[in-house]
Amino acid sequence: DAEITQSPRHKITETGRQVTLACHQTWNHNNMFWYRQDLGHGLRLIHYSYGVQDTNKGEVSDGYSVSRSNTEDLPLTLESAASSQTSVYFCASSEGKTQYFGPGTRLLVL
Amino acid sequence: DQQVKQNSPSLSVQEGRISILNCDYTNSMFDYFLWYKKYPAEGPTFLISISSIKDKNEDGRFTVFLNKSAKHLSLHIVPSQPGDSAVYFCAAQLYGGSQGNLIFGKGTKLSVKP
Repeated sequence: DAEITQSPRHKITETGRQVTLACHQTWNHNNMFWYRQDLGHGLRLIHYSYGVQDTNKGEVSDGYSVSRSNTEDLPLTLESAASSQTSVYFCASSEGKTQYFGPGTRLLVL
Repeated sequence: DQQVKQNSPSLSVQEGRISILNCDYTNSMFDYFLWYKKYPAEGPTFLISISSIKDKNEDGRFTVFLNKSAKHLSLHIVPSQPGDSAVYFCAAQLYGGSQGNLIFGKGTKLSVKP
């Protein structure tokens, strides 16, 4: 079955370190998204991509970057992790109006 | 400025009764709306959607109603079951946004008591 996976599921890192969260989907969807979920904020869009080599900033993109070298993967990089980036991160993909989400990565920045 | 609002952080109902989750939006350019359900430690899962050209969409126990003049939509779950206990997110898409960019509300936590 086609699916979307995220790794790692849990990560603890230190302030200032570079961290990369992986997202992989096997639906061959062109559109991929990264969100963070925090108490009191719901899901907020970080970055998104409409296809290979395409990347766009979302609502809360500061301190994050993405790259899209193939259809299946959209890794999210925290350039220099900050405590404010402690959150749960969700990746999603779509080929239309409905997005399908991965299981999430819980990140703790100490 | 929050464009999609779920004003009730939580809702508790008895098993077998109706659950009504509400969502308000401010942008009249939204033309597609979705509801997602989220269990702890899992990703959101798509539940049901509605286009702005409709006022109702039904899928089994789940019905979404859209009132465009009031900029309000609601999700009805009948009958409610304990397995429906989860956080429900309302999401909206802008007119012409064919590629899936969504704006989410903050969620409502539904608890269904046996």
